[in-house]
Amino acid sequence: QKEVEQNSGPLSVPEGAIASLNCTYSDRGSQSFFWYRQYSGKSPELIMFIYSNGDKEDGRFTAQLNKASQYVSLLIRDSQPSDSATYLCAVGSGYSTLTFGKGTMLLVSP
Amino acid sequence: SQTIHQWPATLVQPVGSPLSLECTVEGTSNPNLYWYRQAAGRGLQLLFYSVGIGQISSEVPQNLSASRPQDRQFILSSKKLLLSDSGFYLCAWRVGGQPNEKLFFGSGTQLSVL
Repeated sequence: QKEVEQNSGPLSVPEGAIASLNCTYSDRGSQSFFWYRQYSGKSPELIMFIYSNGDKEDGRFTAQLNKASQYVSLLIRDSQPSDSATYLCAVGSGYSTLTFGKGTMLLVSP
Repeated sequence: SQTIHQWPATLVQPVGSPLSLECTVEGTSNPNLYWYRQAAGRGLQLLFYSVGIGQISSEVPQNLSASRPQDRQFILSSKKLLLSDSGFYLCAWRVGGQPNEKLFFGSGTQLSVL
């Protein structure tokens, strides 16, 4: 059974700090990796995706993938209170569906 | 542009009543469509997915069913709701093929079964 694990949090960081969110997955055949942001009562919003080992940067967000360690992370630089949300990690394994983690709640304090 | 519509936004239904949630996509043809449920404090649970008209795959046995009567329409139904059916229901649509897929969600329906 494919599994995606995330620390539920909450992860608390002060405004302006770097928030580091982590995710591990069980299926070594996984090919695609995603980070979604979900505000309370809203649907998940895709914010980052990565398909190959290494880092991918988009604005204040950096996704990091290490397939050998089966580990994917999301770094948020210069964290803002508006970044406070639950962050979902999702993994695709070459089939029609993604496997989601349960999410990490991030709280950014002013 | 490609968009996904889901309604209603909120729904309160009594136990034993029927359910019909509708999802439609625009700006694409033959999309892969998905129904997820997110119960309070829990992760996203895949309920059904469809790769084409009349093609439905069920991931979790339960009293829910899904249908795809048209290419860009996906419907989630129940004949008799249970208390445990309460949750946040999300329709999603996959863009691109492996390994460059992306999944986008509709705005969701918050269902409360009382």
